[in-house]
Amino acid sequence: DVKVTQSSRYLVKRTGEKVFLECVQDMDHENMFWYRQDPGLGLRLIYFSYDVKMKEKGDIPEGYSVSREKKERFSLILESASTNQTSMYLCASSPDTWYGYTFGSGTRLTVV
Amino acid sequence: TQLLEQSPQFLSIQEGENLTVYCNSSSVFSSLQWYRQEPGEGPVLLVTVVTGGEVKKLKRLTFQFGDARKDSSLHITAAQPGDTGLYLCAGANSGTYKYIFGTGTRLKVLA
Repeated sequence: DVKVTQSSRYLVKRTGEKVFLECVQDMDHENMFWYRQDPGLGLRLIYFSYDVKMKEKGDIPEGYSVSREKKERFSLILESASTNQTSMYLCASSPDTWYGYTFGSGTRLTVV
Repeated sequence: TQLLEQSPQFLSIQEGENLTVYCNSSSVFSSLQWYRQEPGEGPVLLVTVVTGGEVKKLKRLTFQFGDARKDSSLHITAAQPGDTGLYLCAGANSGTYKYIFGTGTRLKVLA
């Protein structure tokens, strides 16, 4: 069964900490994505990558960065966590735009 | 900015009832997906439609893509408690890697 695995289901961090969210996929997909999901706001794209070492900003990239050193791994970095970054973070991968996404189970991040 | 509006936002029905969820936009999409998300989990892809007027069936779920590829519907026949969840539509345009997600319909099926 194909999978997207996010390293943590729940995470609590302090304001100002640097936070790493890891995502690994085993489907050899070219494209990987990071979304955040908030009540009333839906899914919002933070960053995506269509190839190793390639990245593009999504709709809300401020306060985040990403790293894709290997095809299967896409990391989201919160440079200095703030309380307004408390959210559900979802990683997804896709072979191309026709097939839809495979999502991970999500990481619920709380910044205190 | 492309938007996908879903209706209704919330739906609570009894087991065995039928329901339809709508996904509407003023923009044309080259493909559209439907996902279901259960609490605490990521969305799971149900179907992709790519041709205007296309109808796909997945057991008791019927998906339709509008002729103009601007809207879609999801019809559930004889809903069951296992259908409970957040239903999301997402549209994409050819040549882009990004999907635009709808606002979501939260369905609760009561036993």
